[in-house]
Amino acid sequence: AQSVTQLGSHVSVSEGALVLLRCNYSSSVPPYLFWYVQYPNQGLQLLLKYTSAATLVKGINGFEAEFKKSETSFHLTKPSAHMSDAAEYFCAVTITGANNLFFGTGTRLTVIP
Amino acid sequence: EAQVTQNPRYLITVTGKKLTVTCSQNMNHEYMSWYRQDPGLGLRQIYYSMNVEVTDKGDVPEGYKVSRKEKRNFPLILESPSPNQTSLYFCASSYNSGQETQYFGPGTRLLVL
Repeated sequence: AQSVTQLGSHVSVSEGALVLLRCNYSSSVPPYLFWYVQYPNQGLQLLLKYTSAATLVKGINGFEAEFKKSETSFHLTKPSAHMSDAAEYFCAVTITGANNLFFGTGTRLTVIP
Repeated sequence: EAQVTQNPRYLITVTGKKLTVTCSQNMNHEYMSWYRQDPGLGLRQIYYSMNVEVTDKGDVPEGYKVSRKEKRNFPLILESPSPNQTSLYFCASSYNSGQETQYFGPGTRLLVL
């Protein structure tokens, strides 16, 4: 079965600082990997996804993530945090032919002015 | 506007009183799914549906039922709610499973007393 582990349930960064949210996956076959964001009192929306094309994936709002097979990682980064980035971020994994999407436990990002 | 809608958004009920949370999508998606979100546990899949009249259990199906009589609707039924079903529920839809992006509803916050 597939799974993801998100290191750090809470991350705080200063406005303008680098954002790094960590995600490690477990899968016996090539995975599809996703980052979703949840703003307060809203549903989740897709930030970006890896589907076995380019290993560096660019998403919305300046976020990007790099698929590293050797490290089984798919960390999310943004060069400069903005106040509007404060939200909860979820990493998720699935595989070809699977009907389930497995989510991590989430990382709440706080941006300090 | 393409969207997934859920009703109600907030619900307080008592143990054992049957309830239904509705979910509807206007994107002609074949795949629909229900998740529950609990602090520290992330999102866990309850049930999913690959198409009309095709449903299957996710990771935490106990105490829930679903039906898919029409492509656009996927209601979640709690026939005898218990306090451990107090949670935040999300409906999602996508063209298919696997690498397809899932579109989430705004969530339904349920409190079972």
